[in-house]
Amino acid sequence: EAGVAQSPRYKIIEKRQSVAFWCNPISGHATLYWYQQILGQGPKLLIQFQNNGVVDDSQLPKDRFSAERLKGVDSTLKIQPAKLEDSAVYLCASSPRYDNEQFFGPGTRLTVL
Amino acid sequence: QKEVEQNSGPLSVPEGAIASLNCTYSDRGSQSFFWYRQYSGKSPELIMSIYSNGDKEDGRFTAQLNKASQYVSLLIRDSQPSDSATYLCAVKVDSNYQLIWGAGTKLIIKP
Repeated sequence: EAGVAQSPRYKIIEKRQSVAFWCNPISGHATLYWYQQILGQGPKLLIQFQNNGVVDDSQLPKDRFSAERLKGVDSTLKIQPAKLEDSAVYLCASSPRYDNEQFFGPGTRLTVL
Repeated sequence: QKEVEQNSGPLSVPEGAIASLNCTYSDRGSQSFFWYRQYSGKSPELIMSIYSNGDKEDGRFTAQLNKASQYVSLLIRDSQPSDSATYLCAVKVDSNYQLIWGAGTKLIIKP
């Protein structure tokens, strides 16, 4: 069974530029999560999708971050414009249902200069 | 505010010994508990899940849950250098099924 796929793996941008990340969850997993992980901290949930609907986006900075999951499969997370403090690893995870264990992709390491 | 607390470490354990990692949580209504391992530069990997009081064993790993005292622990027997990583505790809040994460404990196994 293929795992969670993410791209790109690394991205370096200047502040105020925009960036987009892509995630393809494990086949059949209804729930998809985007996390931000800053070095030395645990993952912080940005947004949770159940199929193509948003379940929780309470910690998503909506003035600059947006996410979508069209057709309930792939998802994209966008940052526009980026700030220095957005430098982090962005993790995508999926689970069969909202109350199951979560499985993580390899992550995207973002550096904002 | 719901919280999950872990000692950041590093916890240094000799090879072959038992490593004991602890986690406390604030929400008494929590029902699901998870341990993830994260190697440097990698993403978290699920090791164990535990849902009821007591012990759950899987190979060299044992998860222990005590809901009355609101703590969950992970024991690693016969520790190997390959066990050196950061161990993240995550607790599922049943009110919204969100995972609350600890900051992780860095474990170092000395050969």
